[in-house]
This record gives sequence, structure tokens and C-alpha cells, in this order.
Amino acid sequence: EPEVTQTPSHQVTQMGQEVILRCVPISNHLYFYWYRQILGQKVEFLVSFYNNEISEKSEIFDDQFSVERPDGSNFTLKIRSTKLEDSAMYFCASKARVLTGELFFGEGSRLTVL
Amino acid sequence: QKEVEQNSGPLSVPEGAIASLNCTYSDRGSQSFFWYRQYSGKSPELIMSIYSNGDKEDGRFTAQLNKASQYVSLLIRDSQPSDSATYLCAVPYMEYGNKLVFGAGTILRVKS
Repeated sequence: EPEVTQTPSHQVTQMGQEVILRCVPISNHLYFYWYRQILGQKVEFLVSFYNNEISEKSEIFDDQFSVERPDGSNFTLKIRSTKLEDSAMYFCASKARVLTGELFFGEGSRLTVL
Repeated sequence: QKEVEQNSGPLSVPEGAIASLNCTYSDRGSQSFFWYRQYSGKSPELIMSIYSNGDKEDGRFTAQLNKASQYVSLLIRDSQPSDSATYLCAVPYMEYGNKLVFGAGTILRVKS
């Protein structure tokens, strides 16, 4: 069964360092997303991506964040200068259709900022 | 602010019982509704989707939708200890490019 894959599963970094989280969405999906979940809190939308550009971003997704689809398969989230409050699970997700398509999540990347 | 509301629980039910999970949403334009299951430390797993008013059954799970009341529910029949998890209701908001907005989730505990 097709699945969204994410790497790394866990990353520990020092405050101020850059982090890149990687995702391989399901191959025939066209819409890509990053969500995050701080421990004990809601799953929060960060950004959506379609046709090689950001279609929407939340207030959380400030200038420290960027996304890229460097090739036909990978989808990355970069945090330029990590802060303590960036510690969270980051989930990549993808879907085939924008209106009624079901959103499928990867296993997540746990980011710990020290 | 568009919201998806759920009781946080925990909802405790004995093994074999029916668990009933509820969700309300504020966007009358929403056309599709999803239930995800999330085990501790894991990612959300899609278990049910529903698009029309009424009931939709899939195995032990039944989703119920009432668009007029802006209410969606999930029933789990013959609850098993393995059903113990957090259940997330998710609704795409048309105003926000159809992004999926999640409720805070209801913790379900099934006691054997």
C-alpha cells in the first residue's frame, strides 16, 4: 500500500541551527502539506503546496520556515534558525484531490531543539 | 476563527461496548469530514470519511453526519482495548483553501 515516508524520524538540534525535514509523498498525489503537533496539543496546519508553489500558509509558517520540492519525489521543510518552541512532531501529508481527497500522513519527524 | 470542537475526554468504555465520539464544526460550507485515530507518539491514521448526511458504516465503525446541525460523530461497536487512542475529527475549510482543520481529539480508553 502506498505511503508517505519521512526522514529523519527523530532529530536533536541546538537552538539557532538549521534543520531540514524530508518527505516522499504518495507518488500520484498532487497536494502536499506540513503539519506539526507540539506534545499534548492539536495537530496544526503549517503549509500547503501545489504545482511547485505554496498555496497557503498559517501564521506559524513565518520567514524561518520554507518548503521546497527539489525533484519529482521529495518535499522538504526547512527551519532556518530553530527555536526552543519549534520542538514538535512534524507531519508530512499528501492527497490526490483538493476538494474531497483524503489526507494521508507520514510517520512524522520528531524535532527536539535544545 | 474556524473551529472543530471535540470533548477531550477521556471517554472510558468497557470492552465490547459501543463508544460514541462527537464533533461539531463551524463552517457550513464544509463538504467532507474525516475521523483519524492517533496512538500516542504516532501519526494520525485515517479511519473514516463521510460526505453525505446520514450514516456510513465500515466494519465496527459508523460515521454519522448531520450538516444542518454541523455535527459529525463516530461510533465504535464492540470496542477493543486496541481501540484505545485519541480520535481526531478533521474538517476541510473552504475559506482556507480546503486545508484540513483538526479538533483537539477525544481520548478513548477501552477497559478489558
